[in-house]
Amino acid sequence: DAGVIQSPRHEVTEMGQEVTLRCKPISGHNSLFWYRQTMMRGLELLIYFNNNVPIDDSGMPEDRFSAKMPNASFSTLKIQPSEPRDSAVYFCASSQQGRYNEQFFGPGTRLTVL
Amino acid sequence: GENVEQHPSTLSVQEGDSAVIKCTYSDSASNYFPWYKQELGKRPQLIIDIRSNVGEKKDQRIAVTLNKTAKHFSLHITETQPEDSAVYFCAASIRAAGQNFVFGPGTRLSVLP
Repeated sequence: DAGVIQSPRHEVTEMGQEVTLRCKPISGHNSLFWYRQTMMRGLELLIYFNNNVPIDDSGMPEDRFSAKMPNASFSTLKIQPSEPRDSAVYFCASSQQGRYNEQFFGPGTRLTVL
Repeated sequence: GENVEQHPSTLSVQEGDSAVIKCTYSDSASNYFPWYKQELGKRPQLIIDIRSNVGEKKDQRIAVTLNKTAKHFSLHITETQPEDSAVYFCAASIRAAGQNFVFGPGTRLSVLP
């Protein structure tokens, strides 16, 4: 298994543009998590899905952020419009329901909003 | 909700010495406590975990202890090596379908040669 796959690995965009981050979880995993990591705020959970259903989105900073999981093998995190303070590394992680839920992280997407 | 605190925020040790990182949690229902290591520019990776029915777990040079009554748990690294230099995150979770982790703020460990 290739592990959790994220794309793009790096994204540089201008303020006001739409940004879409993509994630493919490990096959067979049915929980998916989106995190944001910055020096100031550390590792923050934005939203997580269980069986493709959003369970807790209380960490989503504001309405500019949205996440979807249309099927078990794909999820997106969208920021529209993007702002410089959204610059961070965004990690996707997945885990398997029914076990002590070790989360496996993807390589992350480094987002820079100019 | 759960709140996880972690200390110290930075830690420097001489190669060969031991390092200890401590975490506290607030939700007594938490029953799974993983530790993740994140090297510079890389993803967090699980290094060891402990469940609430166990007081201590060891894996080679790494050990974790858990005190449920006091709601704290600790990571111990013995005979530290330069490759142990990284940021370490503790987390607390309730073992159930799809329950999320609450991570501590992290400890930056530097092992000096």
